[in-house]
Amino acid sequence: QKEVEQNSGPLSVPEGAIASLNCTYSDRGSQSFFWYRQYSGKSPELIMFIYSNGDKEDGRFTAQLNKASQYVFLLIRDSQPSDSATYLCAGIKAAGNKLTFGGGTRVLVKP
Amino acid sequence: DAGVIQSPRHEVTEMGQEVTLRCKPISGHNSLFWYRQTMMRGLELLIYFNNNVPIDDSGMPEDRFSAKMPNASFSTLKIQPSEPRDSAVYFCASRPTGKGEKLFFGSGTQLSVL
Repeated sequence: QKEVEQNSGPLSVPEGAIASLNCTYSDRGSQSFFWYRQYSGKSPELIMFIYSNGDKEDGRFTAQLNKASQYVFLLIRDSQPSDSATYLCAGIKAAGNKLTFGGGTRVLVKP
Repeated sequence: DAGVIQSPRHEVTEMGQEVTLRCKPISGHNSLFWYRQTMMRGLELLIYFNNNVPIDDSGMPEDRFSAKMPNASFSTLKIQPSEPRDSAVYFCASRPTGKGEKLFFGSGTQLSVL
């Protein structure tokens, strides 16, 4: 079992809709989680991070963390064609440790 | 700030040749990571350094791979001899201490081993 699991997609959503991405992790020692966006042929870039249970909102993005159930969600509201990319979930056990990535979910936003 | 700088951007070589990938982290960042990305396996951590010291190299596939960080501003990843299955995008990333664990990625090196 991989430490961080994601559905590879593609997740196809119409423009203006909400895209919902989920990520599960196996190590209960994981403390912090990150969502990276990666456009085709480009490097990953951080869009959200979350440390505590509950929701964290930043613009059109909301991250949700449930440590008891070991899942992390990313919601993209009012999806735009420019949101079409692969979204990578990553977890870390403690400060200074390595970041472990899931396989990524490809999102396609159709006009 | 120039960001994390990797070279070369593209490398095409023949099986059996030595390949050296280079990385210059962001100044002041004390952690450096080498990742490999393929369609099949996703983004895999190969090795990471804290303060120029290798901390975890468990992701290095085999003895053909080696990495060094002789100083805070430079790191290399060497593959000798290279094989077609090493073809991938290799990313270097750096991270400052105490700044939310945010990784800054370089543009990557696209390696093709023929």
